[in-house]
Amino acid sequence: EPEVTQTPSHQVTQMGQEVILRCVPISNHLYFYWYRQILGQKVEFLVSFYNNEISEKSEIFDDQFSVERPDGSNFTLKIRSTKLEDSAMYFCASRSGGKAFFGQGTRLTVV
Amino acid sequence: AQTVTQSQPEMSVQEAETVTLSCTYDTSESDYYLFWYKQPPSRQMILVIRQEAYKQQNATENRFSVNFQKAAKSFSLKISDSQLGDAAMYFCAYESNFGNEKLTFGTGTRLTIIP
Repeated sequence: EPEVTQTPSHQVTQMGQEVILRCVPISNHLYFYWYRQILGQKVEFLVSFYNNEISEKSEIFDDQFSVERPDGSNFTLKIRSTKLEDSAMYFCASRSGGKAFFGQGTRLTVV
Repeated sequence: AQTVTQSQPEMSVQEAETVTLSCTYDTSESDYYLFWYKQPPSRQMILVIRQEAYKQQNATENRFSVNFQKAAKSFSLKISDSQLGDAAMYFCAYESNFGNEKLTFGTGTRLTIIP
């Protein structure tokens, strides 16, 4: 069964460094998302992406964040200068047929 | 903006028994979708069940069923014949049929299965 794949599963980075989280959505899906879950809290929407551009972004998704689909298969989330409060689980999702399918998540730890 | 409320932070149930997890939501829209997602200790988000608001019939997936009360804006999940593998966080989520189909999640209910 097709699935959404995220790499790495865990990333530790120093505060102020740039990180890129990678996702391979399910191949025939057209809508892509990033969500964030701070430990012990609910899952929050960050950004949606359709037709090679951002279709909606939340207040969390400020200028430090960017997304792109560089090669038609990968979907990346970049955090330019990480802060301690960016430590969270980041989930990629792709959507088709009225259902969103999530990757296994990347645990980002900022130290 | 839509909100989703899960008023039970934790629930427990004996193995093989039935448990119901509650969810309420607030929206002014008439056309939307509701979901239950399961998050086991691995932290992956797994879709359990989906309900279209325009359908009166409650969705069912094997041992999982929902009680969808549109007028009351209530969407509870019933797990029958609970199994040890059902232990997880369960999140209720709302999706508008307008816009970009983003999910709005509740705060989750941690379900413990007692052997």
